[in-house]
Amino acid sequence: NAGVTQTPKFQVLKTGQSMTLQCAQDMNHEYMSWYRQDPGMGLRLIHYSVGAGITDQGEVPNGYNVSRSTTEDFPLRLLSAAPSQTSVYFCASSYSGTGPFYGYTFGSGTRLTVV
Amino acid sequence: DQQVKQNSPSLSVQEGRISILNCDYTNSMFDYFLWYKKYPAEGPTFLISISSIKDKNEDGRFTVFLNKSAKHLSLHIVPSQPGDSAVYFCAASHGQNFVFGPGTRLSVLP
Repeated sequence: NAGVTQTPKFQVLKTGQSMTLQCAQDMNHEYMSWYRQDPGMGLRLIHYSVGAGITDQGEVPNGYNVSRSTTEDFPLRLLSAAPSQTSVYFCASSYSGTGPFYGYTFGSGTRLTVV
Repeated sequence: DQQVKQNSPSLSVQEGRISILNCDYTNSMFDYFLWYKKYPAEGPTFLISISSIKDKNEDGRFTVFLNKSAKHLSLHIVPSQPGDSAVYFCAASHGQNFVFGPGTRLSVLP
């Protein structure tokens, strides 16, 4: 059981380049989300999806696009990378039903540097 | 304005002693609270949670206390072990709206 898999683990981009961060989960979770972690800021929600074909913006969506064509995959696209997007990115997934909620399962992160 | 605050960026505790990590929140709509633990180069992992209808939840060495009137929760680790050294994130939720605190780095000294 792989859980949540993120690729790549590290990436260096030049300002203006675009790229896609990949996220896949094998737990049949309906809910998937992307967070960025910056020093002193905790984890901030970029975009999330409650199921295939449904996405919505989080707290810091500017400069990022997402799509959810399957339950398993939730890629994050940087359209034109900027130094302010230098961060560690985490993908997370969970069940979205009612009842006890045990929180997200996180991937191991992608460390992105934009120069 | 941060809705979830962890005012201590770091905490050092001797092995065997109690570690107390604190978290404050501002949004009274939050009804579920969680603690995550994060080691370097890994994603956060779920540690323990508490619903707003309770004031305490215990799991082995870990206990979370919730004081709704003060909008405050705390995580107690007893006894602390060197393997507990990590960054601890507090999170508060209402539905699928999750807000994380900035984290507290705990160092347990042998």
